[in-house]
Amino acid sequence: EAGVAQSPRYKIIEKRQSVAFWCNPISGHATLYWYQQILGQGPKLLIQFQNNGVVDDSQLPKDRFSAERLKGVDSTLKIQPAKLEDSAVYLCASSLRGQRGRDTQYFGPGTRLTVL
Amino acid sequence: AQSVTQLGSHVSVSEGALVLLRCNYSSSVPPYLFWYVQYPNQGLQLLLKYTSAATLVKGINGFEAEFKKSETSFHLTKPSAHMSDAAEYFCAVSNNAGNMLTFGGGTRLMVKP
Repeated sequence: EAGVAQSPRYKIIEKRQSVAFWCNPISGHATLYWYQQILGQGPKLLIQFQNNGVVDDSQLPKDRFSAERLKGVDSTLKIQPAKLEDSAVYLCASSLRGQRGRDTQYFGPGTRLTVL
Repeated sequence: AQSVTQLGSHVSVSEGALVLLRCNYSSSVPPYLFWYVQYPNQGLQLLLKYTSAATLVKGINGFEAEFKKSETSFHLTKPSAHMSDAAEYFCAVSNNAGNMLTFGGGTRLMVKP
């Protein structure tokens, strides 16, 4: 079974530029998550999708971050414009249902973003 | 509201020694608890999870954790450390109100030969 795929693996941009990350979840997984992991910290949930609807985006900085999951499969996370403090690893995860807390989340390898 | 505290951002053990990584949680409802491991430049991999069945949970690679409600703890242990166990370990909590995982700050495990 293929895991969660993410691209690109690394991205370096200058502040005020825009950037987009792509995620392809495990086939058949209804729930998709985006996390931000700043160096030395645990991952922090940015947004959770159930199929193509948003379940929780309370920690997403909506003035600069946006995410979509068209057709309930792939997802993109965009930052526009980027700030220095956005330097982090962006992790995508998926789970089969996600409606109950016991569901295991499977993580992709992440995209490491450096903002100069 | 829920939160996780991992005591000790760095833990160093000798190869063959006991591994003990500490995790305390706070949750207003019965929790589900997880331990994930992260190797350099990789995503997180599930080690084990507690979902209100047995309080002693066995995971992959010889790790296990015990849920202690009275102590609000879910410490991770392994009887004998191996060099390949060197990694970052994260404890996380969720509950039946949703599948939102809240992670601790992580503990970096170093294994000395």
